[in-house]
Amino acid sequence: QKEVEQNSGPLSVPEGAIASLNCTYSDRVSQSFFWYRQYSGKSPELIMSIYSNGDKEDGRFTAQLNKASQYVSLLIRDSQPSDSATYLCAVKGDRGSTLGRLYFGRGTQLTVWP
Amino acid sequence: DGGITQSPKYLFRKEGQNVTLSCEQNLNHDAMYWYRQDPGQGLRLIYYSQIVNDFQKGDIAEGYSVSREKKESFPLTVTSAQKNPTAFYLCASRQGGNQPQHFGDGTRLSIL
Repeated sequence: QKEVEQNSGPLSVPEGAIASLNCTYSDRVSQSFFWYRQYSGKSPELIMSIYSNGDKEDGRFTAQLNKASQYVSLLIRDSQPSDSATYLCAVKGDRGSTLGRLYFGRGTQLTVWP
Repeated sequence: DGGITQSPKYLFRKEGQNVTLSCEQNLNHDAMYWYRQDPGQGLRLIYYSQIVNDFQKGDIAEGYSVSREKKESFPLTVTSAQKNPTAFYLCASRQGGNQPQHFGDGTRLSIL
């Protein structure tokens, strides 16, 4: 069983602050990592993909990957109330029977208050 | 527009009844997936298919069945053997390689 662990939250930050979401994974051969946002009652939508160690920025979002520590994070700068959602970390299986599967964490619920 | 279409949006099942959830994609993706999500819970994989006419069980396949006769379509049948079917069902597809999954809008299934 491949494990993806996220801090369960809920995480509450004021508008304009930086929200930091963390994720660890157990399979060190994994090479592809994704962050999804899921609003209440809706389906998950992809917000970031990251494949290499370091930071990847897209607008107010920065994904950070450290394969040696088996750690991936998502920073949301200048948080807005519209960012309030559950954020899911996903790791792609890269060995044997796990090929083609994504393994999801249980998600971190973020609330941004005005 | 390219995308993943799930239907119906809401579905009600009577005791002893099989119901089928539809998932169609026009993204030309090779792989398709079915997940179940219970309130406040993460995604659990039911079945997935990486190529036409082939599929694999996920973590909670009991009480479900699938087929993959066409690249575009991956229907999920919730059989009467699934005693607790009430959940949000999500279909996803993926091109392959290191590409991410993309999700449909989901189907909410409830028991009458």
